[in-house]
Amino acid sequence: AQSVTQLDSQVPVFEEAPVELRCNYSSSVSVYLFWYVQYPNQGLQLLLKYLSGSTLVKGINGFEAEFNKSQTSFHLRKPSVHISDTAEYFCAVRNSGAGSYQLTFGKGTKLSVIP
Amino acid sequence: DTGVSQNPRHKITKRGQNVTFRCDPISEHNRLYWYRQTLGQGPEFLTYFQNEAQLEKSRLLSDRFSAERPKGSFSTLEIQRTEQGDSAMYLCASSLDWQDFTEAFFGQGTRLTVV
Repeated sequence: AQSVTQLDSQVPVFEEAPVELRCNYSSSVSVYLFWYVQYPNQGLQLLLKYLSGSTLVKGINGFEAEFNKSQTSFHLRKPSVHISDTAEYFCAVRNSGAGSYQLTFGKGTKLSVIP
Repeated sequence: DTGVSQNPRHKITKRGQNVTFRCDPISEHNRLYWYRQTLGQGPEFLTYFQNEAQLEKSRLLSDRFSAERPKGSFSTLEIQRTEQGDSAMYLCASSLDWQDFTEAFFGQGTRLTVV
């Protein structure tokens, strides 16, 4: 079984300030890791993913995340946020083996960018 | 290619009624997933199809829920004898086999309100 913990349910941050959204996961097998963004009344859009290789992954809209296997973390960062980044962000994991394709999501972090 | 399409976007129904949602995946995507998202939670996996075969079902999918994907194209999710606890956003996603990894693309969801 896998689980994802997003440590902060809400994160307010001023425009142009940096932000970090935290994600920890638990799994007995190797996993793929994802961050999705959800705008109000919308579906989910993939921001970035970690499959293998370099532990620092870059995504869309200037976001990046770092995979830390020893700490089982996959924190999302952006050096300077914009008003348009206001949304809910979900961390998710998936078994990297064949035959299981479902995603397990965290409860989400609502990012509010203050002008 | 217009992405994953879900209809209707919103549905209000009385308790005890049956409802059916439709999902049209991205053309030629062979995998299709249904997730449910309740307020304040991340999406939870319900079921998954590979082509027309339903390969995985969550324990969340009670006997009142049934999903189909005839001919491996669009999918329907039916809920019989709806209950207030069924109120949620129902998300559909699709993906295409590619080596060992598939990226899931999500639709905008169908928001169900049971009154």
